[in-house]
Amino acid sequence: AQSVSQHNHHVILSEAASLELGCNYSYGGTVNLFWYVQYPGQHLQLLLKYFSGDPLVKGIKGFEAEFIKSKFSFNLRKPSVQWSDTAEYFCAVKKYNNNDMRFGAGTRLTVKP
Amino acid sequence: DVKVTQSSRYLVKRTGEKVFLECVQDMDHENMFWYRQDPGLGLRLIYFSYDVKMKEKGDIPEGYSVSREKKERFSLILESASTNQTSMYLCASSRRTSRPETQYFGPGTRLLVL
Repeated sequence: AQSVSQHNHHVILSEAASLELGCNYSYGGTVNLFWYVQYPGQHLQLLLKYFSGDPLVKGIKGFEAEFIKSKFSFNLRKPSVQWSDTAEYFCAVKKYNNNDMRFGAGTRLTVKP
Repeated sequence: DVKVTQSSRYLVKRTGEKVFLECVQDMDHENMFWYRQDPGLGLRLIYFSYDVKMKEKGDIPEGYSVSREKKERFSLILESASTNQTSMYLCASSRRTSRPETQYFGPGTRLLVL
């Protein structure tokens, strides 16, 4: 069965620190990859997605993610976090040409001002 | 701007009650999804639908059923609510294409079963 692993349950950083959140998946075929963010009290919204081409994907608010096929990974990065980045982050994987998507357990990020 | 709405933000029900959660999207999306979100478990797919009257089981369909009579509306039904169904329920929709379409989420319904 396809599964998505997010290694960190809760990450606490100070403002201006660099961020890397890990995501690994178990499916061996062609996949599409997503990072979603849920700010406190708000809807889940898309940060970025990868489907083909350049494995380094840039999203909104200065986030980026790198797809490393050999490692089955799609880690999220941001060079300098802000207090407003405090949120829960979810990695998601969709099999190519499939309708449904599988999410990781989420990583809660707290940024201290 | 895509809008996905859910009928209730908060719901309190008693064990054994039949519960209906409604979801409506206004972007003519073919795909609709129901997830539950629990701390430490992330989002788990309950059911999804890729067309009117079509449905597919997700990872945790037990205890739930769904209905898709119209393209814009996807209902989740708890036939006999139990306390372990206390959770946040999220509805989402997306276009059905060969590309990886974004799923758009509703605000969620927080259900408490007593």
